[in-house]
Amino acid sequence: DTAVSQTPKYLVTQMGNDKSIKCEQNLGHDTMYWYKQDSKKFLKIMFSYNNKELIINETVPNRFSPKSPDKAHLNLHINSLELGDSAVYFCASSQGSVAPYNEQFFGPGTRLTVL
Amino acid sequence: EDKVVQSPLSLVVHEGDTVTLNCSYEVTNFRSLLWYKQEKKAPTFLFMLTSSGIEKKSGRLSSILDKKELFSILNITATQTGDSAVYLCAVPWPYNQGGKLIFGQGTELSVKP
Repeated sequence: DTAVSQTPKYLVTQMGNDKSIKCEQNLGHDTMYWYKQDSKKFLKIMFSYNNKELIINETVPNRFSPKSPDKAHLNLHINSLELGDSAVYFCASSQGSVAPYNEQFFGPGTRLTVL
Repeated sequence: EDKVVQSPLSLVVHEGDTVTLNCSYEVTNFRSLLWYKQEKKAPTFLFMLTSSGIEKKSGRLSSILDKKELFSILNITATQTGDSAVYLCAVPWPYNQGGKLIFGQGTELSVKP
């Protein structure tokens, strides 16, 4: 009965490769997000989708392309991976974007290591 | 620039101690503040505060918001080793588009037996 799930949990890859991370939520939420957490544990939003539509693109390089096939799924594809992409990527979802509906539920994270 | 600042950045206490974690914010059109606990993996939701002066409580944890002074505190009484985690404070981006949360740097709490 996992609420927000991500796959894979760990991803180790070489520079220059292309990889994808998948996210699914079974909470019936309308809004989904991708966050990046760096080595200093700072969580920063990357993208936000509402009902499959991109709402926020937080000046992320265009090597990162999110895709939302339906409102329960938000995948993240990364082209031409760079060393600086190494981080933990969290998917999250919320019922809405305004209090009191903006409580965000986080997935378990995907630890990406680029060698 | 909208920002959220937490203090202290790290804290080491012994079991049974009481701790107070601070979060100050500078955000236009403030609507709510959220506290999360992050152990090894995903942040888990603790509290959402929208009204000033009303304490939210869950077991040994409590939190209160001061909208005049633009800060919130998270109290943990009778700490246990299981409270060891990074505590994150977040405020929604003021323009209410897309639900973006602005996170503070976090407070890393370590509770020693």
